[in-house]
Amino acid sequence: SQTIHQWPATLVQPVGSPLSLECTVEGTSNPNLYWYRQAAGRGLQLLFYSVGIGQISSEVPQNLSASRPQDRQFILSSKKLLLSDSGFYLCAWSRGQQETQYFGPGTRLLVL
Amino acid sequence: AQSVSQHNHHVILSEAASLELGCNYSYGGTVNLFWYVQYPGQHLQLLLKYFSGDPLVKGIKGFEAEFIKSKFSFNLRKPSVQWSDTAEYFCAVIYTGRRALTFGSGTRLQVQP
Repeated sequence: SQTIHQWPATLVQPVGSPLSLECTVEGTSNPNLYWYRQAAGRGLQLLFYSVGIGQISSEVPQNLSASRPQDRQFILSSKKLLLSDSGFYLCAWSRGQQETQYFGPGTRLLVL
Repeated sequence: AQSVSQHNHHVILSEAASLELGCNYSYGGTVNLFWYVQYPGQHLQLLLKYFSGDPLVKGIKGFEAEFIKSKFSFNLRKPSVQWSDTAEYFCAVIYTGRRALTFGSGTRLQVQP
């Protein structure tokens, strides 16, 4: 069966510091991968998606970037965090376009 | 812009009460529809989905949802809720040609024993 992992689970970072969140999927190959953010009191917003290694599409302009160095690894990064980057970050995978997306446990980021 | 609306932000019910959570989406062509649930301390889980066929779909834990194309709705129902149904429920849509889910803002359900 397929599983999706995210780490860290919780992170507290000062403004201006770098960020690296990791997501890995097991039990499937060539998945579509997604990064979402859930800000307090708001729904989930897609940040990035990837259909293959090195292929990243951004949905909204922001302070963050994403990379996919391996088939089942998806990384969310920032060079300098902003207060507004605080939130709950979810990674998801699907078998293909418009298929069911399965979510990881999430990372709660607090920027102080 | 494509959007999903969940009309109830916070619902409080007693055990054994019936549940209906509203979900409407904006027109954008063919859609695939989903309900996800997030129990306290757990990650988002798929509750049920509709791609095509019978517009009444059944999911896990006794939940069902009905797709009404003319109303752009996909309401979630359960005849008798349990305390363990306390969670946040998200309606989500994938529009044809898009790669990402468009989520509603969620409904927090609190079931009192």
